Amino acid sequence: EAGVAQSPRYKIIEKRQSVAFWCNPISGHATLYWYQQILGQGPKLLIQFQNNGVVDDSQLPKDRFSAERLKGVDSTLKIQPAKLEDSAVYLCASSVSGPTYTEAFFGQGTRLTVV
Amino acid sequence: GDSVTQMEGPVTLSEEAFLTINCTYTATGYPSLFWYVQYPGEGLQLLLKATKADDKGSNKGFEATYRKETTSFHLEKGSVQVSDSAVYFCALSEYNQGGKLIFGQGTELSVKP
Repeated sequence: EAGVAQSPRYKIIEKRQSVAFWCNPISGHATLYWYQQILGQGPKLLIQFQNNGVVDDSQLPKDRFSAERLKGVDSTLKIQPAKLEDSAVYLCASSVSGPTYTEAFFGQGTRLTVV
Repeated sequence: GDSVTQMEGPVTLSEEAFLTINCTYTATGYPSLFWYVQYPGEGLQLLLKATKADDKGSNKGFEATYRKETTSFHLEKGSVQVSDSAVYFCALSEYNQGGKLIFGQGTELSVKP
């Protein structure tokens, strides 16, 4: 079974530039998550989708971050404009749907460096 | 709000030593508890879980017991190997939160031969 795919693996941009990350979840997984992992910290949820609807985006800095999940499959996360503090690993995860926890499978992440 | 606190790392052990990584949590409801592991260059993987008080999760020689009275979920292994070197994350998920995970800050483990 193919895992969660993310691209690119690494990205270096200057502050105030824009960047986009892509995620392809495991086939059949209705729930998709984007987490931000700053160096030395645990992952923090940015946004959660159920199919193509947003379930939770309370921690997403909406003035600069946006995300979409078209047709309930692939998802993109965009930052515009980027700030130095956005330097982090952006993790995508997916799981089968349900009101309670079902195992989330994580991609390898995209490491973003803002200079 | 809910939170997870782990012991700070890095933790450095010799092969075959006993491992404990402490984890405590604060939750408003009755969460499920997890340990995730991140090996170098790989994504996060679920190591073990426990869904109710006094449950013991176990996998690959690792164990953790859900202690509601002390709000703890400490990770233990009797004899670590070099291949266990990784970053370990304790996490919780509240019932009816759609599977959202709240993570601790992670503990880096380095096992020397």
